[in-house]
Amino acid sequence: GQQLNQSPQSMFIQEGEDVSMNCTSSSIFNTWLWYKQDPGEGPVLLIALYKAGELTSNGRLTAQFGITRKDSFLNISASIPSDVGIYFCAGRGSQTGANNLFFGTGTRLTVIP
Amino acid sequence: EAEVAQSPRYKITEKSQAVAFWCDPISGHATLYWYRQILGQGPELLVQFQDESVVDDSQLPKDRFSAERLKGVDSTLKIQPAELGDSAMYLCASSGIRLAGDYNEQFFGPGTRLTVL
Repeated sequence: GQQLNQSPQSMFIQEGEDVSMNCTSSSIFNTWLWYKQDPGEGPVLLIALYKAGELTSNGRLTAQFGITRKDSFLNISASIPSDVGIYFCAGRGSQTGANNLFFGTGTRLTVIP
Repeated sequence: EAEVAQSPRYKITEKSQAVAFWCDPISGHATLYWYRQILGQGPELLVQFQDESVVDDSQLPKDRFSAERLKGVDSTLKIQPAELGDSAMYLCASSGIRLAGDYNEQFFGPGTRLTVL
């Protein structure tokens, strides 16, 4: 299957700091998505990107679809304690299945008050 | 419903027993997905339904796993017999175009945490 690599694997930051994480793929994707997962819960969709170069914001979150279509990044500004969780990128291509998503390995974020 | 419902939330079973998980997708969503998420990893697709039909079950271990969506609404995922390596979070997601402007993205339920002893 598709391999998506996320970095960093984990982050410990002070409340109020900005956060940046990224995701790279060995294959081209037509869509990049970012999800957040709290412990014991399902992933929640944060941002969806549909065009290479697209930059999209959702409150304090900003994500970009890389020009090569093989990468994406997510920024969180002015982090707060409720930002704690695991952030997953997911990519969708046209190669296998109309809506198949391939998930990254996750970035675990800890915010220290 | 505007959320994906799953039950049970937690299940503990002994190996060789049978277990079943239930999912009710967002109302109007035609596509339903079952994922398995091993601790520390991202979700991996097991099976995808379009209405009542399976469109992708290439990653479903068919010797022990089965899934059905008989009326094209809710779905059941079964494991028989369960093995130690099946311990994981089982997530259900649904997608569909209900309103103009929807992008057919997948929305997840809270999951069922399975522990096999």
